[in-house]
Amino acid sequence: EDKVVQSPLSLVVHEGDTVTLNCSYEVTNFRSLLWYKQEKKAPTFLFMLTSSGIEKKSGRLSSILDKKELFSILNITATQTGDSAIYLCAVEGTYKYIFGTGTRLKVLA
Amino acid sequence: SAVISQKPSRDICQRGTSLTIQCQVDSQVTMMFWYRQQPGQSLTLIATANQGSEATYESGFVIDKFPISRPNLTFSTLTVSNMSPEDSSIYLCSAQEAPNTEAFFGQGTRLTVV
Repeated sequence: EDKVVQSPLSLVVHEGDTVTLNCSYEVTNFRSLLWYKQEKKAPTFLFMLTSSGIEKKSGRLSSILDKKELFSILNITATQTGDSAIYLCAVEGTYKYIFGTGTRLKVLA
Repeated sequence: SAVISQKPSRDICQRGTSLTIQCQVDSQVTMMFWYRQQPGQSLTLIATANQGSEATYESGFVIDKFPISRPNLTFSTLTVSNMSPEDSSIYLCSAQEAPNTEAFFGQGTRLTVV
């Protein structure tokens, strides 16, 4: 059965800290891995990864995929209170996405 | 990416009634999906809305409870039928323009059944 597992489930840090969020997967017919940020109801898109070893970067956020070991990490440097959210990892398999459990990040001022 | 308008954004409903949620995309999309997110949980796929044919439901979800329509490439509805308090959840519409592109989401509907 396809599955996506994220760790940690929750994390509390202080502003300025760097965090690393993990996503491992077992999905048939892997197409891509995506990261989303969910603050209220609607997840917003962060990154889509399809190739191993190529880092995607946007400001303080970066992500990389390892298709051999079947995992991805999302790094956030110099965290701010506005980074507080649930971070979701999703893997696109055959005609659908499978979402992980999410990591709830809280950044304290 | 395209924009999805989902409505209503929230509703409080009596048990035994039904609610229809609508999603309108501002451009034609290949795939549309409906998810449920129960409190403290991740997104669970209810079904894939197929244009012009019956939706494809995931295990644990049935058409009688969650009828879905998709009359064209920009619009879909999800009905939550004969509601019970266990149906209280956030319901999310999602669309994908093509395979290997990111899925984007509507604003979500927060449903409370009393």
